[in-house]
Amino acid sequence: AQKITQTQPGMFVQEKEAVTLDCTYDTSDPSYGLFWYKQPSSGEMIFLIYQGSYDQQNATEGRYSLNFQKARKSANLVISASQLGDSAMYFCAMRPYNFNKFYFGSGTKLNVKP
Amino acid sequence: SQTIHQWPATLVQPVGSPLSLECTVEGTSNPNLYWYRQAAGRGLQLLFYSVGIGQISSEVPQNLSASRPQDRQFILSSKKLLLSDSGFYLCAWSVQLGDRHSGANVLTFGAGSRLTVL
Repeated sequence: AQKITQTQPGMFVQEKEAVTLDCTYDTSDPSYGLFWYKQPSSGEMIFLIYQGSYDQQNATEGRYSLNFQKARKSANLVISASQLGDSAMYFCAMRPYNFNKFYFGSGTKLNVKP
Repeated sequence: SQTIHQWPATLVQPVGSPLSLECTVEGTSNPNLYWYRQAAGRGLQLLFYSVGIGQISSEVPQNLSASRPQDRQFILSSKKLLLSDSGFYLCAWSVQLGDRHSGANVLTFGAGSRLTVL
């Protein structure tokens, strides 16, 4: 069975500081992709970053980086230099390469304080 | 480039009325298509997905149905809405299955349809 766990329902961070959003996953598939999405209050789902299970290096996209620890089955999102516009819900997701389905965590609501 | 359109953006319907939400994808062919529902302040629940015309997989037994009459068109329907059908409905697409060398196969979402059943 596939499962994504985000244990932080809500988090606060001071503007310009870094923040880590936790994500752990459970799968028996050897090949899979890990994704993070941002959902602002408007509701749109915005793709942020991707990590393949065979990738040797952690993915980075601008201020976003993914701290991938395969043995621990964790894929934490790190946002550096937080901005007020980073306030949103953040979802971790996984897709086993042999499946058509994407599995989502319950989300973390991030609030950036000025 | 690929785009995904979803409509209507907002819908207020009485209990017992029918529902039709439509989603179309442009700029790609033979996509996987998905319908998700999100209750207020909650995560995403996969309702249906489709790997081709007429091929629908239902994830959760419920009052809703889905159809894919054309390659890039995905429709979510109900004959009689319930109060519990209220929520934010998201259509999404991805490329077909690939192996670990085929890249991210990102799931791309439409803007969503907010349904309120009164």
